[in-house]
Amino acid sequence: EVQLVESGGGLVQPGGSLKLSCAASGFTFSVAAMHWVRQASGRGLEWVGRITNKANNYATTYAVSVKGRFTISRDDSRNTAYLQMNSLKPEDTAVYYCTRQGIAAEVDYWGQGALVTVSS
Amino acid sequence: QSALTQPASVSGSPGQSITISCTGTSSDIGGYNYVSWYQQHPGKAPKLMIYAVSNRPSGVSNRFSGSKSGNTASLTISGLQAGDEADYYCTSYTSSDTWVFGGGTKLTVL
Repeated sequence: EVQLVESGGGLVQPGGSLKLSCAASGFTFSVAAMHWVRQASGRGLEWVGRITNKANNYATTYAVSVKGRFTISRDDSRNTAYLQMNSLKPEDTAVYYCTRQGIAAEVDYWGQGALVTVSS
Repeated sequence: QSALTQPASVSGSPGQSITISCTGTSSDIGGYNYVSWYQQHPGKAPKLMIYAVSNRPSGVSNRFSGSKSGNTASLTISGLQAGDEADYYCTSYTSSDTWVFGGGTKLTVL
């Protein structure tokens, strides 16, 4: 069974940093591309970014809204993906989902989400 | 990258069919067959319902179907059931090597 478990969420002040982790199990993590998607309370889904696998050089791509502030990385030896968030703004407050990319650019499995609150 | 355009809400009676549209541009929906649809119930993570425009993952009811014409994709749900009441989101891969979601559609089963 595919499982994605996010951790590391919490309250952070504007301008601060936070790092989310996503522990994966139930599939061959090293071959999968991984995405992060967020959702502010009462709002829609917003794609955050993606990291490919080693065969594709761990290439990353980001939404314009987070580019230059957020960094996605992975540790295949630990079956874990990460989302480093710097220079956080109140508008970054959201539930952050770790997701796995499927065979045709879709995200097919989602974690339960980690709440990040940016507030003073 | 602007969000894909979905109607804010649609409704239908049990047993009826409804269609949710998702409009983008030639740089996303129109340029790739990488449109997918997600169902989200309140307080839950989204669930993949359709991928690659018209493919259903294992376990998804065949009452759900997807299609695409030009820059617009559509999700059709036939034989509406109370459990179908949820928010639905479309998404597409884009020419910028990014992904973009629609704003979401709230489906009400009357």
